[in-house]
Amino acid sequence: DAKTTQPTSMDCAEGRAANLPCNHSTISGNEYVYWYRQIHSQGPQYIIHGLKNNETNEMASLIITEDRKSSTLILPHATLRDTAVYYCIVRVAAANNLFFGTGTRLTVIP
Amino acid sequence: GAVVSQHPSWVICKSGTSVKIECRSLDFQATTMFWYRQFPKQSLMLMATSNEGSKATYEQGVEKDKFLINHASLTLSTLTVTSAHPEDSSFYICSAMGSTEAFFGQGTRLTVV
Repeated sequence: DAKTTQPTSMDCAEGRAANLPCNHSTISGNEYVYWYRQIHSQGPQYIIHGLKNNETNEMASLIITEDRKSSTLILPHATLRDTAVYYCIVRVAAANNLFFGTGTRLTVIP
Repeated sequence: GAVVSQHPSWVICKSGTSVKIECRSLDFQATTMFWYRQFPKQSLMLMATSNEGSKATYEQGVEKDKFLINHASLTLSTLTVTSAHPEDSSFYICSAMGSTEAFFGQGTRLTVV
């Protein structure tokens, strides 16, 4: 049970911001929101994670709603190399397992 | 960031033979590693949890006698697909937990002919 809902696919113009939504309405208080992406025929790559505060790193920003029932991953300036499947996962930080949902296939268009 | 290396990247084998896939954590120790399988256009499915020094834990529906997992050291886990059949053809991915996030190998594409 992935516990998250994401759109199946999205397109984004190169150079524009890509905003990928994720619903996790049943998230528990001790569960974090993690984002990974998988470029074709490669292993998943960690992007960012957060609990309740917004987070930013060199790859992306994560915006979590106040009620924590949804979040948005923002790639500020999408490039062609950002074309991938993006997975939103909720998990307890101490837990080891990652259960992947279907993810969002982001296509960055020139 | 931490690195997990998987070998080989791809392998082709004949039906009935066995194939071993290695997963190494290069710069950290991992008491637990995970093996996933991914069919074309599908998401990753957790197959089993590999525990250093003890038996692996398999997800429901995964045959433990067919997918042999060995985790003999803190940096190496192996997955052996025994008596491979064409339906075992898939993309196999391992991961290991860092301090806060999981790191994944580059995956192994297995084709059974």
